[in-house]
Amino acid sequence: EIVLTQSPATLSFSPGERATLSCRASQSVSNKLAWYQQKPAQAPRLLIYDASNRATGIPARFSGSGSGTDFTLTISSLEPEDFAVYYCQQRSNWPPTFGPGTKVDIK
Amino acid sequence: EEQLLESGGGLVQPGGSLRLSCAASGFTFSNCVMNWVRQAPGKGLEWVSTISTGGGSTYYADSVKGRFTISRDNSKNTVYLQVNSLRADDTAVYYCAKGRHDSSGWYWNFDYWGQGTLVTVSS
Repeated sequence: EIVLTQSPATLSFSPGERATLSCRASQSVSNKLAWYQQKPAQAPRLLIYDASNRATGIPARFSGSGSGTDFTLTISSLEPEDFAVYYCQQRSNWPPTFGPGTKVDIK
Repeated sequence: EEQLLESGGGLVQPGGSLRLSCAASGFTFSNCVMNWVRQAPGKGLEWVSTISTGGGSTYYADSVKGRFTISRDNSKNTVYLQVNSLRADDTAVYYCAKGRHDSSGWYWNFDYWGQGTLVTVSS
């Protein structure tokens, strides 16, 4: 089973700042990595799939990059609604696995 | 608009059973792979099970294999998760999620989610 690591567990930013989140895989997942956003008491929402493809309706301020074992989610300018928990997920090997999440909170 | 609505959660004693349901609308359900993903209180996401479009192929996480059964009724646009032999560590919000697909096939990603149903296992 592929283990995904997201560190640190919490990042603090001010609105308008650029946020960069990291996800590392225990072995190569090629580009088969997705990112999800989850706000309190809400279901997760797919943001990015296959490392760099935005899902339907996702604003352009969200972008993803990386391949192999190291991936990045970038939020170019944080809006108030972007403060949430972000999870990465790999689909390269069965079973699909998620990272533990990074919480983006307000500084 | 795609919508998924789960039901069937509740408080159950260890060793008990529940049947979770997920009613879908706003998309062609019979063309879509469906999944269950759970989240223990204050914890991260864990994939639980997947069922193919026709129901002929099913997949389970090792943690639930032999205790949980996924099924679907395409005439009712509904997917089910029968959960048996429940343990305290099965306590979680159970989300129904649609599998991402395109013209080339389907993928182990989850592009639409319901709001979840809470299963609490406690005596």
